[in-house]
Amino acid sequence: QQQVKQSPQSLIVQKGGISIINCAYENTAFDYFPWYQQFPGKGPALLIAIRPDVSEKKEGRFTISFNKSAKQFSLHIMDSQPGDSATYFCAAGGYGQNFVFGPGTRLSVLP
Amino acid sequence: NAGVTQTPKFRILKIGQSMTLQCTQDMNHNYMYWYRQDPGMGLKLIYYSVGAGITDKGEVPNGYNVSRSTTEDFPLRLELAAPSQTSVYFCASSYSTDNYGYTFGSGTRLTVV
Repeated sequence: QQQVKQSPQSLIVQKGGISIINCAYENTAFDYFPWYQQFPGKGPALLIAIRPDVSEKKEGRFTISFNKSAKQFSLHIMDSQPGDSATYFCAAGGYGQNFVFGPGTRLSVLP
Repeated sequence: NAGVTQTPKFRILKIGQSMTLQCTQDMNHNYMYWYRQDPGMGLKLIYYSVGAGITDKGEVPNGYNVSRSTTEDFPLRLELAAPSQTSVYFCASSYSTDNYGYTFGSGTRLTVV
């Protein structure tokens, strides 16, 4: 119940394309869903996050879509750029609970 | 504002040696965490702390120990290093467990030979 599944493991997208990464969780007590971006040699950095009371949250080119009934959420990167090439982690957590992280998706955006 | 600072950045240990990974945060966060990151495995929680003097085990605590004597510092101790502890270690902190993401340090790459 604590597992967060993430797919795909790796993703290659052309510059200007849309990158989509999907995550699924099982624990219905989770109520906060952040995405982290990690560049090589650096620690993960919080990118965007959503709570289950909304179905979508957009910040610039990054959008989280959330489906509470399916217990799934996804990250969409519009107009993907080579500078977006990084590893992306989804996570799930809530009050009094430590975050559980997905295994990560390595995104490569080709120029 | 330094955020979360980890030292050292790299270390090579021999089997059976001991070492302490240092972690300091200057954001007055109550919650601190230690994770290990292995290729394709994501982040696994080793230990965490909800405040000074309070620590608890995470998902993979065996072979590690922690202490939290101050709000700022959360060192991770490896007593008898084993090859299975070769990994990248990240320290993180947060204001609370709800509605806030974690701030991560830049990591310590540890190799046990």
